[in-house]
Amino acid sequence: KNEVEQSPQNLTAQEGEFITINCSYSVGISALHWLQQHPGGGIVSLFMLSSGKKKHGRLIATINIQEKHSSLHITASHPRDSAVYICAGMNSGGYQKVTFGIGTKLQVIP
Amino acid sequence: NAGVTQTPKFQVLKTGQSMTLQCAQDMNHNSMYWYRQDPGMGLRLIYYSASEGTTDKGEVPNGYNVSRLNKREFSLRLESAAPSQTSVYFCASSDDSPYEQYFGPGTRLTVT
Repeated sequence: KNEVEQSPQNLTAQEGEFITINCSYSVGISALHWLQQHPGGGIVSLFMLSSGKKKHGRLIATINIQEKHSSLHITASHPRDSAVYICAGMNSGGYQKVTFGIGTKLQVIP
Repeated sequence: NAGVTQTPKFQVLKTGQSMTLQCAQDMNHNSMYWYRQDPGMGLRLIYYSASEGTTDKGEVPNGYNVSRLNKREFSLRLESAAPSQTSVYFCASSDDSPYEQYFGPGTRLTVT
């Protein structure tokens, strides 16, 4: 069974800190999807990547295929970054099925 | 361009009652999905539809039925609700490649 594990499960940071959330995945997953779930419950797509690195504003996502590991970095964190960040593995084999991690709850304190 | 819409946003049912959750997308996506989200667990796939007229079971299909009414709409039906179905339900849709998923706002369902 494909698995996705995230760490840490909870993270508290001071405003301005550099934040890293990690995601490890098993064989059979061909791409990683990073999602943000707001305190109100809505889920927003941040990045989808199968190799290398992507950047959008203060968010950076990287993936190391050999190590089956991906990271989401937030630079100059802000209280509005407080949310649950979810890593999801896109399964290879032609199916549109996804394996989700349980999420990392981030709180950024002013 | 509304993206993915779901109705209702909240619902309380008694055990044994039935209801249908509605989902629609306006992004011309072929694939649509229903997930449930429970505390301490990742999103779990209930059913998905790769194209109009096709549906397939996901990880937790028991107690649910789905209908892909047309390309835009994908509904989830609970025929006889049980307390174990208390959850937050999300509909999503994706393009064909690389299957990046877009989520609706969710439906919070409580079964008493």
